[in-house]
Amino acid sequence: EAGVAQSPRYKIIEKRQSVAFWCNPISGHATLYWYQQILGQGPKLLIQFQNNGVVDDSQLPKDRFSAERLKGVDSTLKIQPAKLEDSAVYLCASSLDPSGSYEQYFGPGTRLTVT
Amino acid sequence: AQTVTQSQPEMSVQEAETVTLSCTYDTSESDYYLFWYKQPPSRQMILVIRQEAYKQQNATENRFSVNFQKAAKSFSLKISDSQLGDAAMYFCAYRTYFGNEKLTFGTGTRLTIIP
Repeated sequence: EAGVAQSPRYKIIEKRQSVAFWCNPISGHATLYWYQQILGQGPKLLIQFQNNGVVDDSQLPKDRFSAERLKGVDSTLKIQPAKLEDSAVYLCASSLDPSGSYEQYFGPGTRLTVT
Repeated sequence: AQTVTQSQPEMSVQEAETVTLSCTYDTSESDYYLFWYKQPPSRQMILVIRQEAYKQQNATENRFSVNFQKAAKSFSLKISDSQLGDAAMYFCAYRTYFGNEKLTFGTGTRLTIIP
């Protein structure tokens, strides 16, 4: 079974530029999560999708971050314009059933550096 | 809001010895899940062990076991017969039993294995 795929693995941009990350969850997983992991901290949820609907985006800085999950499969997270404090690892995870105890499976993450 | 605290930023252990990583959490709920995740330098989060709060028996997975003290809101991870491959960041995480399934992570403990 293929795991959660993310691309790119690394990205370096200048502040005020835009960037997009892509995530393809495990086949059949209804729930998709984007977490932000700043160096020295644990991951923090940015947004959670159930199929193609948003369940929780309370921690998403909506003035600069956006995310979509068209067709309820893969997802894109965008930052525009980027700030220095956006430098972090962006982790995507998926789970089979949001109401059960199913494990969240994580992708390898995208390390973003904003200069 | 739930919080997770890991008070040991770094730990080290001799190969083949036993080490215990500490975690405390705060919640007003009675039913929830607790997890330990391992994050090696590859950045991919890997689930090590899971504990359901309604279960009194401590979870075990091969060399990994937990000491779950619900009244004290404590959830420590014991790694027996430490191996070089155990070197990683370890994150304690909390998840509600019902409703929103986001993971709330601690700040992590970096574990070094000394050959």
